[in-house]
Amino acid sequence: AQSVAQPEDQVNVAEGNPLTVKCTYSVSGNPYLFWYVQYPNRGLQFLLKYITGDNLVKGSYGFEAEFNKSQTSFHLKKPSALVSDSALYFCAVRDSHIYNQGGKLIFGQGTELSVKP
Amino acid sequence: DTAVSQTPKYLVTQMGNDKSIKCEQNLGHDTMYWYKQDSKKFLKIMFSYNNKELIINETVPNRFSPKSPDKAHLNLHINSLELGDSAVYFCASSQASAGGTDTQYFGPGTRLTVL
Repeated sequence: AQSVAQPEDQVNVAEGNPLTVKCTYSVSGNPYLFWYVQYPNRGLQFLLKYITGDNLVKGSYGFEAEFNKSQTSFHLKKPSALVSDSALYFCAVRDSHIYNQGGKLIFGQGTELSVKP
Repeated sequence: DTAVSQTPKYLVTQMGNDKSIKCEQNLGHDTMYWYKQDSKKFLKIMFSYNNKELIINETVPNRFSPKSPDKAHLNLHINSLELGDSAVYFCASSQASAGGTDTQYFGPGTRLTVL
């Protein structure tokens, strides 16, 4: 079965410092991995995805994520955090072995990122 | 222009009532979805439609009935509302369902409160 884990409910970072939001996954086939961000009282905004190719994926707002197959991880990173990055971050996975499933995404439980000035 | 829109944004109603939430996408996508986000922010898929055809029904109670009049619209009708239905409901759309590499784009959400 597909699953995603975000081991940290909350991550606190000082503005200007690097940030990492962790994600690990479990699938039977190849993973298609996604990061979304949710600002308060807003919908989910797509940040980036890994499908195949280069393990380092660059996305919106200066975020990037590194796919690590041996560790089954897809951690989200940013070199220098901004206060405006404070939000709820979701990792999601889709299993390449599951076809005709309407593109079902399995989400992690979310990590609240708090960036202090 | 809003890519995926939902109405209403907020919905407060009494137990036992019937209500609908509407979703429209102007992205030309073939597939649309409904997700439920509970009070702990956990997101779970409910339904998926591809070109008006139901693809996924994730063991949702049959009080919930999605309806897709055309591929740009996917509405959610809920009968006999219960307290446990209180949540934020998100609509999403993507280009195609086969292969699974497409990105899903989400609407702003509808916060349903059942009293």
